[in-house]
Amino acid sequence: RKEVEQDPGPFNVPEGATVAFNCTYSNSASQSFFWYRQDCRKEPKLLMSVYSSGNEDGRFTAQLNRASQYISLLIRDSKLSDSATYLCVVKNTGGFKTIFGAGTRLFVKA
Amino acid sequence: DAGVIQSPRHEVTEMGQEVTLRCKPISGHDYLFWYRQTMMRGLELLIYFNNNVPIDDSGMPEDRFSAKMPNASFSTLKIQPSEPRDSAVYFCASQDRMNTEAFFGQGTRLTVV
Repeated sequence: RKEVEQDPGPFNVPEGATVAFNCTYSNSASQSFFWYRQDCRKEPKLLMSVYSSGNEDGRFTAQLNRASQYISLLIRDSKLSDSATYLCVVKNTGGFKTIFGAGTRLFVKA
Repeated sequence: DAGVIQSPRHEVTEMGQEVTLRCKPISGHDYLFWYRQTMMRGLELLIYFNNNVPIDDSGMPEDRFSAKMPNASFSTLKIQPSEPRDSAVYFCASQDRMNTEAFFGQGTRLTVV
């Protein structure tokens, strides 16, 4: 079993739709969680950190469920510019090891 | 700051040749990471440094791969000899503390023929 697993998609949604991605992790000692965004042929960039209490940044909401060992990303009112691959990132105790999920591809269509 | 700078952006080489990838981290960042990205395996951490010292190289695939960080502003990833299965995009990233955001360079797209 992979340490971090994501549904690869692709998710094809119309503009204005709400879409949610989940990511599961296997190491219960994992401490830090992030969502990165990667555009085609570009480098990954931080989208948002994921806090235990959940956090929101505009149209984006991230949540952490430690009991079930998953994190989620919700995108409301999807825009064409949201089309990208979304990478789930988990860091283990002390941040010594960073594990990236394989990514979930999102296509938002007009 | 110009961000993390990698060179070359693209590299095409023949099997058996030595390949050296270069990275200049963001000034003041204590951590430097080398990643490899392929369609099949996604983004894999190869090795990371803290204050120029290699901390975890468990992701380095085999002895053909080596990485150095002679000073705080420069790191190299070397593959010798290269093989076609090494073809991938290699990213360098840096960050100022553990558990904070990692900033990635634009990557080196390596093709071994």
